Amino acid sequence: SQQGEEDPQALSIQEGENATMNCSYKTSINNLQWYRQNSGRGLVHLILIRSNEREKHSGRLRVTLDTSKKSSSLLITASRAADTASYFCATDAATDKLIFGTGTRLQVFP
Amino acid sequence: DTAVSQTPKYLVTQMGNDKSIKCEQNLGHDTMYWYKQDSKKFLKIMFSYNNKELIINETVPNRFSPKSPDKAHLNLHINSLELGDSAVYFCASSRLFQGAPPYEQYFGPGTRLTVT
Repeated sequence: SQQGEEDPQALSIQEGENATMNCSYKTSINNLQWYRQNSGRGLVHLILIRSNEREKHSGRLRVTLDTSKKSSSLLITASRAADTASYFCATDAATDKLIFGTGTRLQVFP
Repeated sequence: DTAVSQTPKYLVTQMGNDKSIKCEQNLGHDTMYWYKQDSKKFLKIMFSYNNKELIINETVPNRFSPKSPDKAHLNLHINSLELGDSAVYFCASSRLFQGAPPYEQYFGPGTRLTVT
């Protein structure tokens, strides 16, 4: 069954603006991961946040995790046209496999 | 150097045919996966091998048979192809330590399978 759902499904912004994507999940997790998928390409790992962490940064990316609400958010600051892609959250649901969410399609206009 | 590679990139075939997709990783990982991504971009795990041993086998028709000749290779053979098999198939690899949650996965470029 599907574990994660991203919101919004699609997001369009101008270069320089910030983009925020949310992920909600259903059951307890060990870790939550975010991946990016450019059109016609495979997924690329962006960041992993553990269940005992609340916030993590990597360059222009900021991820938060609220285990009480079973939700996470991915913030991309000062977006660029090259950030145009689909973004997926993935949870492990305390098992040995990742379950991916439905994805958010981000379009950044120059 | 490509970390996870798949061949072919595109595969167009007719219903009823049998086809294979190959995957190789040069990251030294011990675990490899097959995922199916449908037209709505929904990504679902199909199989996982750890050290050539099948550890995840989701509810997949038995027309799909994975084979791992060694830790660096994981192939997917599909018998009697159906229209509904049309999708993008991704191979991935990762480290996996027993009892530990999944680490980051490295994905191949995907194989777009079109069944006509």
